[in-house]
Amino acid sequence: GAVVSQHPSWVICKSGTSVKIECRSLDFQATTMFWYRQFPKQSLMLMATSNEGSKATYEQGVEKDKFLINHASLTLSTLTVTSAHPEDSSFYICSAHSGTSGFDYEQYFGPGTRLTVT
Amino acid sequence: GQNIDQPTEMTATEGAIVQINCTYQTSGFNGLFWYQQHAGEAPTFLSYNVLDGLEEKGRFSSFLSRSKGYSYLLLKELQMKDSASYLCAVRDSNYQLIWGAGTKLIIKP
Repeated sequence: GAVVSQHPSWVICKSGTSVKIECRSLDFQATTMFWYRQFPKQSLMLMATSNEGSKATYEQGVEKDKFLINHASLTLSTLTVTSAHPEDSSFYICSAHSGTSGFDYEQYFGPGTRLTVT
Repeated sequence: GQNIDQPTEMTATEGAIVQINCTYQTSGFNGLFWYQQHAGEAPTFLSYNVLDGLEEKGRFSSFLSRSKGYSYLLLKELQMKDSASYLCAVRDSNYQLIWGAGTKLIIKP
């Protein structure tokens, strides 16, 4: 099956610094990648949708200047949390699908990145 | 607004059968998904329904009734490793996934 990797799997950073999380599709080309955030005991919250070569579409309430998303190639998307604060501590998960029209029904999830801001 | 409802928590016994329900109200419908998520891990795909009826895959089955806005996930011969959260998600008319809050399933020996 399709594999999506994330790096790093966990990261601890100091308040005010920036952290970059990578999401890669290893054996397929991901035309669309999704970034989610999940707080403990809560469901997934979609942050943004990114299509290769174009600007990401952010969900309401998500600050685009704080959460920078770059989908530079069909196999790589990055999420940069800028000027991190302790409230940004969360589990960040990316997913991808290869369908150009959305008919590819399955999203393949990465293993997630646990971010802790001290 | 769009809404996905599923029970917060369920408890079942090893070897038994459990049914997790999901009701939805969304802007359009392009399929319903069930995912399993163990604590601290990303979700893994379990099933996909786009037409009414039952889809069976080993110990897991998923049912859909579009007219009722209802689905269930049926788990048979429960094993301890089935203890996890089960997420129901509906893809709306914009092909965006709308997620339920998840059902935490606790399996007891």
